[in-house]
Amino acid sequence: EDKVVQSPLSLVVHEGDTVTLNCSYEVTNFRSLLWYKQEKKAPTFLFMLTSSGIEKKSGRLSSILDKKELFSILNITATQTGDSAIYLCAVDLLYNTDKLIFGTGTRLQVFP
Amino acid sequence: DAGVIQSPRHEVTEMGQEVTLRCKPISGHNSLFWYRQTMMRGLELLIYFNNNVPIDDSGMPEDRFSAKMPNASFSTLKIQPSEPRDSAVYFCASSLLAGGQETQYFGPGTRLLVL
Repeated sequence: EDKVVQSPLSLVVHEGDTVTLNCSYEVTNFRSLLWYKQEKKAPTFLFMLTSSGIEKKSGRLSSILDKKELFSILNITATQTGDSAIYLCAVDLLYNTDKLIFGTGTRLQVFP
Repeated sequence: DAGVIQSPRHEVTEMGQEVTLRCKPISGHNSLFWYRQTMMRGLELLIYFNNNVPIDDSGMPEDRFSAKMPNASFSTLKIQPSEPRDSAVYFCASSLLAGGQETQYFGPGTRLLVL
């Protein structure tokens, strides 16, 4: 059975800290891995990763994929209270017309 | 672009009642997804459509749940009869499947509470 596992489940930090969120997967026919940020409402897209070792970066957020070890990390440096959210990792499969398999998410809380 | 539109945003109903959730995908998108999110189970895919045709409904919990997509701009998810364990946030998402790697865009969700 295809599955996506995220860790930790929950993280509480102070502003300015750096955090690393983990996502590992066991799937057949991997195509890409996606990160979403979910605040109070709907998940919003952050990154899509398809190739190993190539870092995607957006401001203080960055992510990288390791297709050999079957995991991805999402780094957030100099965290701010606005980074508080649930971070979801999802895997897109080949031959499956766009179906995503989501992990349960990591809940990040950043306190001032 | 208005994004994915869902209605209602919140619904409170009594068990046994029929619930209908509505979704309007982003114009031009050809794939539509219904998800359910709870604290215990996270985000679960219920069903998805491609070009208005249901492709995979293996996530639909039971016969009380049904989904339709009569045209490219509208879909419904119906629960009949509703039960308290159906309480969750229901998200609709859409994407453009064009042979590449597409991003799903989520609607704001419908928060359902069944008493």
